[in-house]
Amino acid sequence: GAVVSQHPSRVICKSGTSVKIECRSLDFQATTMFWYRQFPKQSLMLMATSNEGSKATYEQGVEKDKFLINHASLTLSTLTVTSAHPEDSSFYICSAPFKDTEAFFGQGTRLTVV
Amino acid sequence: GDSVTQMEGPVTLSEEAFLTINCTYTATGYPSLFWYVQYPGEGLQLLLKATKADDKGSNKGFEATYRKETTSFHLEKGSVQVSDSAVYFCALQRASKIIFGSGTRLSIRP
Repeated sequence: GAVVSQHPSRVICKSGTSVKIECRSLDFQATTMFWYRQFPKQSLMLMATSNEGSKATYEQGVEKDKFLINHASLTLSTLTVTSAHPEDSSFYICSAPFKDTEAFFGQGTRLTVV
Repeated sequence: GDSVTQMEGPVTLSEEAFLTINCTYTATGYPSLFWYVQYPGEGLQLLLKATKADDKGSNKGFEATYRKETTSFHLEKGSVQVSDSAVYFCALQRASKIIFGSGTRLSIRP
């Protein structure tokens, strides 16, 4: 079946630095990808919709300048957490819709900012 | 707005026990409903889905019925196995957006 690969699976960074997370669709093209964030014991919350060839669409309350999204090709979307702070520590996961009937998810990235 | 509420975990059962994980939703209209599963170290995988009222989704021995009258989509399995240990997410989809419940961690003892 279709596969979405997300990298890295875990990352620890210092406060004030930036971290890039990659999401790749390995055997299908995805003009749209979604980025979610999950706090401990809470739901996955949609952060933004990544659109190939155009700007990302952010959900209300999500800082565009903080979470930079680039959909560079039909198989790659990246999320960059800029000037990370401890409160940005979370689990980030991407997904890509497939044939309008379901979505495939990456493995997720556990970000810890120290 | 739309939301999904599911049973808090963790849930620990013995092998071959009966499983129920409750899920209720709040939404206007008739969204599609899903159960996703996340095995340790892996991404989310679609377990089953139902797209309209009274539909029953099933896969790998798991079942869930779309109940409009109770706005529920409870997950059931008659006899769980150790390999079913994972985190289970109930979700609804409206257009291309998916709204998730908080997830329920299931652990099965041999």
